[in-house]
This record gives sequence, C-alpha cells and structure tokens, in this order.
Amino acid sequence: AQSVTQLGSHVSVSEGALVLLRCNYSSSVPPYLFWYVQYPNQGLQLLLKYTSAATLVKGINGFEAEFKKSETSFHLTKPSAHMSDAAEYFCAVRFSGGGADGLTFGKGTHLIIQP
Amino acid sequence: GAVVSQHPSRVICKSGTSVKIECRSLDFQATTMFWYRQFPKQSLMLMATSNEGSKATYEQGVEKDKFLINHASLTLSTLTVTSAHPEDSSFYICSARDAVSYNEQFFGPGTRLTVL
Repeated sequence: AQSVTQLGSHVSVSEGALVLLRCNYSSSVPPYLFWYVQYPNQGLQLLLKYTSAATLVKGINGFEAEFKKSETSFHLTKPSAHMSDAAEYFCAVRFSGGGADGLTFGKGTHLIIQP
Repeated sequence: GAVVSQHPSRVICKSGTSVKIECRSLDFQATTMFWYRQFPKQSLMLMATSNEGSKATYEQGVEKDKFLINHASLTLSTLTVTSAHPEDSSFYICSARDAVSYNEQFFGPGTRLTVL
C-alpha cells in the first residue's frame, strides 16, 4: 500500500539550530511530494514541492528539501531555526497512476523551538 | 497567487441539524476540488474529490449520504453535513486545483465544526 511516514511526532530544536524533519514514502513510482506548514486553527501553507524537476527544492522561509529516490525520502531542512517556525509540518504525497487523486498526508510533526 | 476561501470559518450547531460549508476559488477556475477532514492533533484525511459538473468520488469509509458534496461551478464547491452528530465535530479543509497547476492543490483556511 502507498503510504507516507513522518518520523517523530514532535521535534524540538534550539533557536538558531538546524531543523530536520523526516519524511519517507512507499511507492514503486516516484510521486509528487509536498511539505506544508499549519499554524494553530489555520489551513495549510505550501512550503515547497517536488514535481520531478530538480531533486533539491528550495521553498519559502528558508526551508528546503531533497528528494532521494534510492531512500524514498523527502526530508525537510532549514539551516537556522527561528521562533516563528514553531508549527505543525505535514509531508504530503500525490501518488502517480490510478487510485486517489487527492493528497496522502503524513501524521505531521510538531516543531518546537527552544529559546 | 491562487486563493481559496471557506465559509464559515467556525460553526456550532445542534445535533440533528445540517450544516453547509462553502469553498470558493477566488482568482482561478477550480476544475477539481477536494475535501479533507482533520481531527484534533491529527493529520488530514481525504474525504472526497469533486470535479465540476460531475458527482463526487468518495474515499472508502466516507458516507456519501451524510457528507453531500456539490461542485456546481468552477469556483464553488459545497460540503453539507447532514443530520450532524457530535462525532462529526472536526476541522474541514477544502483544496482546489486548476487545469494548469495540475500537481498542486491550493488549500482553504478551514472550517471548524462543533456539533453539540
């Protein structure tokens, strides 16, 4: 079955430290991959997306992610965390070929920024 | 950029009543709209996909008679929760896609439904 796994429901980093949020997917065909951020009681904001172009994708707010086909991963990183980065982050996948046309979301990772 | 709005942002209703949630694409034509449901501190789950002018496709386990979806125009889709019960209380989020940015969905701000 096609699925999306985010390792770590909570990640805590110090302000200024590296942020690494992990996302793995299971699919034999490379899918389209997205990272979204959600602030409390709000909708989703797209951070970045991979749609089979460059494997290193740069997004908004200093975030970037690298698609690694061999590892079926699409981890999100930011070199230096800011207090405003505290939020819920979702990795989402649109699997290619058949099945649902909507996005499959990971369970989310709550990013905590320590002062 | 592409903007999607939802109305209302919050709604409280009594058990047994029906509630309609609107999803609008403000500056583009949404050939496809999606409805997601998010329980507190959980991920989003796709409920259904609707294409303008045709019947919605529901995900397994979603009651189509309870969650009525209408996508009558290229800028408006509605989700009606019929005979709502407390277990239907959730955050409902819609997204929309146009024919150009086929692989990207633009999300609305969500609607918080509370059924008493």
